[in-house]
Amino acid sequence: NAGVTQTPKFQVLKTGQSMTLQCAQDMNHEYMSWYRQDPGMGLRLIHYSVGAGITDQGEVPNGYNVSRSTTEDFPLRLLSAAPSQTSVYFCASSYHPAGQGVYGYTFGSGTRLTVV
Amino acid sequence: DAKTTQPTSMDCAEGRAANLPCNHSTISGNEYVYWYRQIHSQGPQYIIHGLKNNETNEMASLIITEDRKSSTLILPHATLRDTAVYYCIVKAGGTSYGKLTFGQGTILTVHP
Repeated sequence: NAGVTQTPKFQVLKTGQSMTLQCAQDMNHEYMSWYRQDPGMGLRLIHYSVGAGITDQGEVPNGYNVSRSTTEDFPLRLLSAAPSQTSVYFCASSYHPAGQGVYGYTFGSGTRLTVV
Repeated sequence: DAKTTQPTSMDCAEGRAANLPCNHSTISGNEYVYWYRQIHSQGPQYIIHGLKNNETNEMASLIITEDRKSSTLILPHATLRDTAVYYCIVKAGGTSYGKLTFGQGTILTVHP
């Protein structure tokens, strides 16, 4: 099915561990981004990419790295997990840079991460 | 991007129209109005967007006032599955990429 696929759906990490959240889309979208959602905080942009090989920081990039080697994939790496990174992470992609396409930004179903 | 103001919560009877207002009095000329919704535990879902003309798609209608300082999202025949948090977002269009700023949104509860 066309869309944005995120894996894993759930993850528990110990403080200091590292891991990669996967995001893949099969819609040939150039624009991809990662958001985190904390209770009562709304979604906040972590990193984004406007095409393969091009990434930039959002409003809360500290503690996260990204790379974009292909159009389809945009993994998010947590270098040394901290309890403050406990959150729900959403990946989004779009055909149009401002999300003006017919489908706007397409979001994945999220990864629920707990850091203990 | 302009700030938006939405009611915290609204109720609607199933089968009736749900009218969700949004105030964006500081919107500028190149900013679009976008609506997304988030059903519990799911990723946000795009609904509709517009610049200054009213828009309609298979999900909803968007009515933007002539001065563009406010808008209303209309779900013509609400169902229980429309219970969600609805976000009104104002964002520059064109070729500029930028983040979607999700505020608190409106919690819409559709009752049987």
